[in-house]
Amino acid sequence: EPEVTQTPSHQVTQMGQEVILRCVPISNHLYFYWYRQILGQKVEFLVSFYNNEISEKSEIFDDQFSVERPDGSNFTLKIRSTKLEDSAMYFCASGGVASGGSGELFFGEGSRLTVL
Amino acid sequence: AQSVTQLGSHVSVSEGALVLLRCNYSSSVPPYLFWYVQYPNQGLQLLLKYTTGATLVKGINGFEAEFKKSETSFHLTKPSAHMSDAAEYFCAVSDPRDDKIIFGKGTRLHILP
Repeated sequence: EPEVTQTPSHQVTQMGQEVILRCVPISNHLYFYWYRQILGQKVEFLVSFYNNEISEKSEIFDDQFSVERPDGSNFTLKIRSTKLEDSAMYFCASGGVASGGSGELFFGEGSRLTVL
Repeated sequence: AQSVTQLGSHVSVSEGALVLLRCNYSSSVPPYLFWYVQYPNQGLQLLLKYTTGATLVKGINGFEAEFKKSETSFHLTKPSAHMSDAAEYFCAVSDPRDDKIIFGKGTRLHILP
């Protein structure tokens, strides 16, 4: 069964360092998303990406964040200069097919980011 | 704008008892509705979804939910709780036009022996 894969599963970094989280969405999906879950809290929408551009972003997704689909298969989230409060689980999701989607998003297992 | 409210951040039920997790939504368009489960240190797994058609939706692990438009609710139920049901449950809503999902704050389900 097709699935969304994310790497790394866990990354520890120093405050101020750049981090790139990688995702491989399901191959025929058209929409790509990043969500964030701070420990013990709700899952929050960060950004959606469609047709090679950001379609929507939340207020969390400030200038420190960027997304890219560099090669038609990977979908990356970059945090330019990490802060302590960026420590969270980051989930990638994909959905929507050309023939019409069911509205369901398929989530990866998540990348846990710890900023020290 | 869409939103989801889950009543009760923690719910405890005895093993074998009825599970009822409450979810109310707000949406300006007919929504798609979802329940996701998250086991400790794991990702999000879809339990069930409502898009169109039958308002009583059956999902995995014996869970079901009923879409009640008049009450703007999508409560999750299971007739008999099992210890393995202990997890965090998230209700979610999406606008069918863009697939973006908005999650509720989650309800942690505790199963008492």
